[in-house]
Amino acid sequence: GAVVSQHPSRVICKSGTSVKIECRSLDFQATTMFWYRQFPKQSLMLMATSNEGSKATYEQGVEKDKFLINHASLTLSTLTVTSAHPEDSSFYICSARLPRGTGAQSNTGELFFGEGSRLTVL
Amino acid sequence: EDQVTQSPEALRLQEGESSSLNCSYTVSGLRGLFWYRQDPGKGPEFLFTLYSAGEEKEKERLKATLTKKESFLHITAPKPEDSATYLCAVQYNQGGKLIFGQGTELSVKP
Repeated sequence: GAVVSQHPSRVICKSGTSVKIECRSLDFQATTMFWYRQFPKQSLMLMATSNEGSKATYEQGVEKDKFLINHASLTLSTLTVTSAHPEDSSFYICSARLPRGTGAQSNTGELFFGEGSRLTVL
Repeated sequence: EDQVTQSPEALRLQEGESSSLNCSYTVSGLRGLFWYRQDPGKGPEFLFTLYSAGEEKEKERLKATLTKKESFLHITAPKPEDSATYLCAVQYNQGGKLIFGQGTELSVKP
C-alpha cells in the first residue's frame, strides 16, 4: 500500500520553543494531506486540511497562528507548533489522500496515515 | 449532527474466540467507511474501505460488512497478534475529511 512517513517520531522540547513535524508521501503525490492530533485513550481529531500550493483549512477551535501548516510540494507537508506549551503535548498524525483516479474508487480515494509524532513539551 | 460511535470500548477475547466490533454512524451522504488498526504509539494502519450497503471485504481473519446505519468488523479465531485498537471512520464529503469513532481496544489472550 501507499506509504506516508513522518519525522520526527518523538520530540521533547521546552515550553516556548517551536517544533516542526514533517509528513511525506513516499510513493505517490498528495495534493491534500490532513493533520490530526490524538490524546491518550482518545480517537483522532482532525486539526486541518493541508492543500498543496494554497492555504491550509483549519477545523473550528484550532489556532492557525499556533499550528502553522505548509504544503510546499506534492510530497511534503509540515506542521509547526509555535511557542509550544505543555498542553500541546500530544500525538500528531498526518494522512495523505491518494489522488483521484487511483484506489478502489476515484471519488473518495483512500487515506493512509503516517507513523505519528509524539510531542512532549516540558 | 454527524457522528460515529463504536462499541464496545474494550473487548477481551481468548485466542480462537470469534467476535464482532460495531461501528454505527449518522451522517448524511456517506462516501466511504474506513476501518483502521492502531497499535500503541503508532499511526493507524489501513484495513478496509466500504462504499455501499451490502458490501463485504475480507483480509485474513478479518471481515468487514456495511449496512445503511452501521458496519461490523468480524474477527474469526483471533490470535494474540490481533490485539490492537480498531478505529472506524466515515467520509461524508468530497473533501476527504474523516470522522473517527472512539475505537475498540481489542485484547486477545493466548
